[in-house]
Amino acid sequence: QKEVEQNSGPLSVPEGAIASLNCTYSDRGSQSFFWYRQYSGKSPELIMSIYSNGDQEDGRFTAQLNKASQYVSLLIRDSQPSDSATYLCAVRIRGQNFVFGPGTRLSVLP
Amino acid sequence: SAVISQKPSRDICQRGTSLTIQCQVDSQVTMMFWYRQQPGQSLTLIATANQGSEATYESGFVIDKFPISRPNLTFSTLTVSNMSPEDSSIYLCSVDGGANPGYTFGSGTRLTVV
Repeated sequence: QKEVEQNSGPLSVPEGAIASLNCTYSDRGSQSFFWYRQYSGKSPELIMSIYSNGDQEDGRFTAQLNKASQYVSLLIRDSQPSDSATYLCAVRIRGQNFVFGPGTRLSVLP
Repeated sequence: SAVISQKPSRDICQRGTSLTIQCQVDSQVTMMFWYRQQPGQSLTLIATANQGSEATYESGFVIDKFPISRPNLTFSTLTVSNMSPEDSSIYLCSVDGGANPGYTFGSGTRLTVV
C-alpha cells in the first residue's frame, strides 16, 4: 500500500528560526517528490520538487531527499509569519498519480 | 504553469440535490484530476479525466455519484449527485505541470450540504 506520512503538527517555531518538516514514504518505486503549501481556505501551491538524493535549494526553502531511508524533508530558513500554513508532501511513482501526505501545520510565531 | 479557473468557489446545497463544478484551463492538457479535501484532511483523488474516454475512478468513488465530463482538452466538470452532509468538502481540480512537473490546482469549491 502506498503511504506518505507526516507529523500533523502543529509545529511552532519563532520568527527567524529554521522550520524543519519531515515526510516518509513507503513505496521504494517513488521517483518524484513535491512539497505544497496550503494556506487556510486556499488551494495547494507547489513550492519545491526534488528527484535525486541530496539537497535542492530555492531561496529560503531547501528540500532534502534520502531514498535509502525513504525520507524527504523541507527546511524553511528565516521563517516568517507568512510561512504559517499547512505543508503537504506528495510522492509520485513513475506513470502513476500523486499520493499526498496528511500535511503538517506550521505556525511561525512573531 | 497552467492557470485553472474553477467555479463555483462555494455553495450551500440541500441534501438530495446535485452540484456541478466546472474547471477551465488556459492551455490544452491531456489529463485533469479531481480531488476531495475533507475538513482537516489531506487530498484524496476522486478520478482522472481524459478527453475522449471515460474517467478513471479511484477506489471508493463511483461514476453514479461523481459523474465527470471532459468534452475537450481545456475543460472538465465534476457533478456531486444526490448529496448528503457527508459530501461537505472542498473539491479541487488539478492538472499536471507537464514541462514543470507537479500539480497545479484550481481555487477549489467549498461545498456545504445541509
